[in-house]
Formats: sequence, structure tokens, C-alpha cells
Amino acid sequence: AQKITQTQPGMFVQEKEAVTLDCTYDTSDPSYGLFWYKQPSSGEMIFLIYQGSYDQQNATEGRYSLNFQKARKSANLVISASQLGDSAMYFCAMREPSNDYKLSFGAGTTVTVRA
Amino acid sequence: DVKVTQSSRYLVKRTGEKVFLECVQDMDHENMFWYRQDPGLGLRLIYFSYDVKMKEKGDIPEGYSVSREKKERFSLILESASTNQTSMYLCASALTGTQYGYTFGSGTRLTVV
Repeated sequence: AQKITQTQPGMFVQEKEAVTLDCTYDTSDPSYGLFWYKQPSSGEMIFLIYQGSYDQQNATEGRYSLNFQKARKSANLVISASQLGDSAMYFCAMREPSNDYKLSFGAGTTVTVRA
Repeated sequence: DVKVTQSSRYLVKRTGEKVFLECVQDMDHENMFWYRQDPGLGLRLIYFSYDVKMKEKGDIPEGYSVSREKKERFSLILESASTNQTSMYLCASALTGTQYGYTFGSGTRLTVV
């Protein structure tokens, strides 16, 4: 079974608008970590934001925020005020003890920002 | 600035060659990982290592081996390169714990001709 599901293969967003990337996860572990990475066309994977399963507040990092809905097992990434440089593939990932602390990745969502 | 360094950004090798992909991290991380990434298939784990001289198979180990003689270095070896191993290879390292993400190298685009 898929541990991380990203249902949006690709999205277009207008510059300066906000975009929400969906991510749902599946785990039975009470403690786990959720991560979002950005992969531009150059290929490197860039860490964006982290949310712990026990965190009461949604994580924020600059223009990135994570909409964490634990009961729904959802961890959506919100990018505010999109910029052309935000065009990239975005991966949701989860790290859990029962998987030997290995990161499980979703299939990714390609975001294209239009001027 | 902490980082993971992969020895080559682009590599072209011939079928049947033995290929070494090197990865070095300077963060004293105990865990290191090798992934390959192909369009439509996402990131797939080849091998990982929890400690020096330790290695564990990932999801697609066939045709690959690894070596970790020192904590900072994790090498991926293609014993006899084949064209279906043409791919993007990503190395990563991490501390143990759900609160720690992976730090990735910049990747190696390997083409086997």
C-alpha cells in the first residue's frame, strides 16, 4: 500500500497567487515526521518544511506553510505569492520508526508558475 | 555549510563497464542512502547503510552493490553497467529520528551507452 499519496501530477499557477499541493499519508506509528522537498530541473532535492506528528501548530517557513490535518492524515503544502522560481517538482515524504526511519516519498507534483 | 557531495554531475559509461558513484557527507550522519529517479517511477531506494560497513538492500538492489568503509563515504557500484541503468542517481544522508529529514547531494545523471 502507498504510504504517501500525491494525487496531482501537475499544476499551473499564476505568478503571485497561492497554490496548495495535496498530500495524504498512511501510518500506524504514533510518532512520525512529514517533509516536503522541492526538485528544480537541475535535479537537486531541496528541503522545504517539516511537520512532526505531535506538533500542535502548522509548520511555516517563509512562503511555505504546511496544512496539517492529523485526523485526516493530510499534510498539504501551501506556497504563497508564487514566483517563477517556484516552478519545480514537489515531493511529500514521511519518516516513521516502523519503516526503519526510511523516508517514504510520494510520486511528486510538478508546479509550473506562469508570468 | 553542511552538505552531501556526489563526485560527478554527469557521467557517460559504456555497457559492461564497472561504474563507481561516490558520495561524501560532512555532517557525521550515521545513515546514508542511494536512490535512482526515473520519469514516472519516482524515487526508488537502491541501498542504504546505518553505519560503517553496514548495508541493507532497498527496493531495487539488483545490478548494484555498495561500500561504506568510512562513515562519511558511501559508494554505489554498478558491477557491469547496462543501458537500463541509465538514470539520475541521488545520494542522501540523515541522522536517525523522525524529526530529521534527508540531506541530498546534487545528483549524478548517468548515461550508459
